[in-house]
Amino acid sequence: ELKVEQNPLFLSMQEGKNYTIYCNYSTTSDRLYWYRQDPGKSLESLFVLLSNGAVKQEGRLMASLDTKARLSTLHITAAVHDLSATYFCAVDLKGAQKLVFGQGTRLTINP
Amino acid sequence: NAGVTQTPKFQVLKTGQSMTLQCAQDMNHEYMSWYRQDPGMGLRLIHYSVGAGITDQGEVPNGYNVSRSTTEDFPLRLLSAAPSQTSVYFCASSTSPDQPQHFGDGTRLSIL
Repeated sequence: ELKVEQNPLFLSMQEGKNYTIYCNYSTTSDRLYWYRQDPGKSLESLFVLLSNGAVKQEGRLMASLDTKARLSTLHITAAVHDLSATYFCAVDLKGAQKLVFGQGTRLTINP
Repeated sequence: NAGVTQTPKFQVLKTGQSMTLQCAQDMNHEYMSWYRQDPGMGLRLIHYSVGAGITDQGEVPNGYNVSRSTTEDFPLRLLSAAPSQTSVYFCASSTSPDQPQHFGDGTRLSIL
């Protein structure tokens, strides 16, 4: 059974600081997704990471994938309040977008 | 393009009732999925489809049925509603597993 664990689950940080969210998973997979969810809203796709060593960046967010360590990271650079949200990683179990999600990391960025 | 459209947005049911949550997409996406999200938790996959006529079970399929007779539509049926099925349900679609999923706005379902 594939388990996906995120840490931390809650993160409160100040604007301008850097931080990293970690996503560990328990079985082999070459495909990992990151999503953002604002309170009461749907999910928005951030990144799809397709191979070992993949790195993608969009604005202040950068995601990477290490399939050998079964680890993905989402790095936030110089955080701003607008990045406050819950961030989820999800791993493709079967190569057919059969996804298993992590518990989510609730990020609060304070002015 | 309307994207992924879910109806209804809200629904209250009594225990034992049945209903169908509708999901339609106009992007010609082959891959479609249904998830449920319980408070403070991540999403859990209920059923998914890789194309018309092909469906498979996800992590929590019990109590739910799906069918995929067309590329556009992927309805989710609750056979006999139970309070444990109170949740927010999301439908998502994509062109392939290498592409991001597009999510609908969700259906908030309460079962009394």
